[in-house]
Amino acid sequence: EADIYQTPRYLVIGTGKKITLECSQTMGHDKMYWYQQDPGMELHLIHYSYGVNSTEKGDLSSESTVSRIRTEHFPLTLESARPSHTSQYLCASSVEGGGTDTQYFGPGTRLTVL
Amino acid sequence: KNQVEQSPQSLIILEGKNCTLQCNYTVSPFSNLRWYKQDTGRGPVSLTIMTFSENTKSNGRYTATLDADTKQSSLHITASQLSDSASYICVVSDRGSTLGRLYFGRGTQLTVWP
Repeated sequence: EADIYQTPRYLVIGTGKKITLECSQTMGHDKMYWYQQDPGMELHLIHYSYGVNSTEKGDLSSESTVSRIRTEHFPLTLESARPSHTSQYLCASSVEGGGTDTQYFGPGTRLTVL
Repeated sequence: KNQVEQSPQSLIILEGKNCTLQCNYTVSPFSNLRWYKQDTGRGPVSLTIMTFSENTKSNGRYTATLDADTKQSSLHITASQLSDSASYICVVSDRGSTLGRLYFGRGTQLTVWP
């Protein structure tokens, strides 16, 4: 069982609200990732970080932002939630990054924007 | 275009039966291929990883095969159990380095009935 945690697990919120999805890992991994996954669809990388103070946008354009102030913490923020943001958000971490090693995933946050 | 295609999209089998899931990819160059299991409402968990030179890899009742020439992989599940009900995701990496990208399939949704 991977030591990577996400909160909240479920969130229902109204349009226009600011939200922050939390992700923490206790494995000391430098590399962390955020994915977006819709039902029956593949995971899409929206943000990644290769270490403290390092953040990059992923393959899928996203209106969210991330920060990496501490190794173990990689929160994702939506300044103004919209119904199009409704999705499952998965956080992951790995030792080496890229294609070299296995990513460990958190349980996900299911976000619904009304 | 680098893609990962999985079939079937969904599968229902009876407990105790065997099944085989397919993964075809066009990713090039090729570094490695992973199979993940994703339980409903959870993050994916790695089952196997195979590099170019590996033809088969087992993890308990799960056996993955790889044909790098035809760019095909399969995941065989033996003596299925109710707990095998999940989505099985094929993930291909194009480089064995931190520059490598991961390409995700949409998964095969397996349901095991008693």
